[in-house]
Amino acid sequence: GENVEQHPSTLSVQEGDSAVIKCTYSDSASNYFPWYKQELGKRPQLIIDIRSNVGEKKDQRIAVTLNKTAKHFSLHITETQPEDSAVYFCAASTAPGGSYIPTFGRGTSLIVHP
Amino acid sequence: GAGVSQSPSNKVTEKGKDVELRCDPISGHTALYWYRQSLGQGLEFLIYFQGNSAPDKSGLPSDRFSAERTGGSVSTLTIQRTQQEDSAVYLCASSLVPENIQYFGAGTRLSVL
Repeated sequence: GENVEQHPSTLSVQEGDSAVIKCTYSDSASNYFPWYKQELGKRPQLIIDIRSNVGEKKDQRIAVTLNKTAKHFSLHITETQPEDSAVYFCAASTAPGGSYIPTFGRGTSLIVHP
Repeated sequence: GAGVSQSPSNKVTEKGKDVELRCDPISGHTALYWYRQSLGQGLEFLIYFQGNSAPDKSGLPSDRFSAERTGGSVSTLTIQRTQQEDSAVYLCASSLVPENIQYFGAGTRLSVL
């Protein structure tokens, strides 16, 4: 089955700096890669996703890049703010069709210091 | 509209007791998932329901865990003879197929004493 590795487990940055979180996956059939943000005590929420027919996707300060050859994808957050502090999870899965069961990384705790 | 609703939000039980956790998905969402999240850990897949298909139970850790989904809507996760290692937050998510964007509930925090 799919295996997703996520690094780093903890990331501490100063407000205004950029943050990068990286994930690798093992199943070359995976074609959908969402990122979730989970604030302390809250539910995970989708912040951005990418499908395998594109290499990069941006949404304001957040971007995701995908390298299918190397089987890795990354989350980039620019101009970080204290409210970006949270645990971020990546996931990989096949979609659409079939049984869509994403495999999640173990999470990255991002701390943005004001 | 209403999001995914889970109840109870917190459950404290004694070792050996059975517990039932409930999930109300977003109306119209045909896919429903249960996950377990232990303190500081990632999301561990438990079970997946999609429409009228047989559920994918490949993530259930033991035969003490079971789940059902009645009428393609509400789902109940049952843990029999609870053990201390079952203590965790149990998250439910639902999605539309083929969009497959998961919307999570707030979770049930289970504590087994």
